[in-house]
Order: sequence, then structure tokens, then C-alpha cells
Amino acid sequence: AAGVIQSPRHLIKEKRETATLKCYPIPRHDTVYWYQQGPGQDPQFLISFYEKMQSDKGSIPDRFSAQQFSDYHSELNMSSLELGDSALYFCASSGGTGTFSGANVLTFGAGSRLTVL
Amino acid sequence: GQNIDQPTEMTATEGAIVQINCTYQTSGFNGLFWYQQHAGEAPTFLSYNVLDGLEEKGRFSSFLSRSKGYSYLLLKELQMKDSASYLCAVRDGDYKLSFGAGTTVTVRA
Repeated sequence: AAGVIQSPRHLIKEKRETATLKCYPIPRHDTVYWYQQGPGQDPQFLISFYEKMQSDKGSIPDRFSAQQFSDYHSELNMSSLELGDSALYFCASSGGTGTFSGANVLTFGAGSRLTVL
Repeated sequence: GQNIDQPTEMTATEGAIVQINCTYQTSGFNGLFWYQQHAGEAPTFLSYNVLDGLEEKGRFSSFLSRSKGYSYLLLKELQMKDSASYLCAVRDGDYKLSFGAGTTVTVRA
């Protein structure tokens, strides 16, 4: 079965640079979520999109922005990178008509590891 | 904000049973999830509870008491591959999903 696809898997940037992460949700899933997970931390919710519209916003810094495109893929843009932005960034999607669609279970991608030097 | 508490670490022997507790205080409630996460990998869905009671799924079971704001994940017949972090996540009244800090389970031979 198709899963959530994230790219790139690894990214190394310098401070003050810009990074873009991409996410391709499971086909027919209508909601995309972005989470940030620092070393030894729980995933922190950043932002979500439902049917290409921003549906909820968490602890996302103003330096970060995200959008969902007509093909449902989403991009997380991070500017003026700081050392503290080094983390695993997970994209997840939910929805569709699968067994757990009523529970709106989030299916996570493998994550993009960002290292800021 | 949400308040989700679970133990930091637990150790058990292969073949044994381990119970991971989770307590929560949220603004509204729309379900509780348990996820398993191996180091550096994505969280994977284990179980979902929205009504009180026990949900059994093979070696894993999850229990919920909404009045007590309490859940547990029960892992039976532990295997080495069960060594991982187990995340309790709660969906609040606004359908926002928040995670606990996770419980690292170490299974010893």
C-alpha cells in the first residue's frame, strides 16, 4: 500500500539558510500534518491542511511557512535557519475511506532529518 | 495546552508483560492513540480508543477510562523487536492531536 512520502530524507544547511521539505500524502487522504521532533523529544505539531486550506496551527515559528498544492502534496519552507531547528520533521496524512478513516488515524512518513550547522 | 504524562522508561524481560500508563488532561476529548516509534523512524499506529474499555489487537491491548483521564497500553509476550518508544497521543475537543513525551521500553533477553 502507498505510504506518506517525504523528501529529502536528510538535509544539511548552514545557519541563516533556507530549506524546503516536501510531503506526498497517501492518495485520497484529505488532511496533511507537519510535526517537528527534536532529539529525545515528542513530536510537536506545527501546522495542518485540510483540502488544501490551512486547518490548524501549532508551535510553528514565523520563519516557517507551509502550503498544500492542488495535487495535495505539501511543502514546509524554513528560512533564517537556526541551530535549534535541527530535528526530524515528520509529515502525516489522514482521511480517506480505509479501516481507520473514522478514527482519523495519522499515518506518518519516514521523516526528513534537518541538520543546521 | 494539553497535559499528557507517561513514564520515561521501562525495562522488561523477553516473554514478559509490560503495561505503559498514560494520564491526560485536555480541553475536550476525541480519542486516544498509541504509537510505536523506533529510534530515527516514523511513529507507527498501534491502537485507538474513544470509548471506555479495552481494545485488544494481538499481543497489544489498550484501555481507556475517560472519567479518569487514563489509558494504558499492554504489551504481552514481549519480543526483542518491541524495544522502542511508545507514544500516547490525545485528540482534544478541537481535533488537535498532541503527543506525550513517550515511554522507552527496553526488552532484555
